[in-house]
Amino acid sequence: DIEMTQSPSSRSASVGDRVSITCRASQNILIYLNWYQQKPGKAPKLLIYAASTLENGVASRFSGSGSGTDFTLTISDLQPEDLATYYCQQTSTTPHTFGQGTKLEI
Amino acid sequence: QVQLVQSGAEVKKPGASVKVSCKASGYTFSNYYLHWVRQAPGQGLEWMGLINPGGGSPTYAQKFQGRVSMTSDTSTNTVSLDLSSLRSGDTAVYYCARVGIYSKFDLWGQGTLVTVSS
Repeated sequence: DIEMTQSPSSRSASVGDRVSITCRASQNILIYLNWYQQKPGKAPKLLIYAASTLENGVASRFSGSGSGTDFTLTISDLQPEDLATYYCQQTSTTPHTFGQGTKLEI
Repeated sequence: QVQLVQSGAEVKKPGASVKVSCKASGYTFSNYYLHWVRQAPGQGLEWMGLINPGGGSPTYAQKFQGRVSMTSDTSTNTVSLDLSSLRSGDTAVYYCARVGIYSKFDLWGQGTLVTVSS
């Protein structure tokens, strides 16, 4: 199975900050990488797919980059509603494993 | 309205089985694979498997092989997850998710809490 490792596990930031979360795959996954936002008690919400493509309706302050084994989710101009846990997921091969999550505190 | 609506919460005893359903509406059911993901309390997301509603054999994560079954009913646009030999570690919220092009999980059900307790 492909292991996905996110860092940091948690992060405190302020409104207006630029925040980056990294995700490393244990083997080459090309650009088969999705990012999700999950708020307490809610289902995950897709933010970014194919490593860098913004899902329709998602705020443009979210962006993704990377390929191969190293990926980054960046949130520019952090807003209070961005308080959530963020997950990366590889869809290169099954099982489609997730990172352990990054809890963002504002 | 494009949505996935899941069945309600369940409480089961260890060793029992549970069936969670996921009804699709607002789009062509057979055009998208459906995946199941679970989340134990306070934990991360865990992929369980996928099914092609249009036919073909499901694919299961190795961890669940032998006690999981995913089925599809095109007459009701519903997929179901059956999990047997339940143990306390199966206590989790179970989600179905639609997966389209570029393997993006773009539509999720609301989640179904399954509690396993004696």
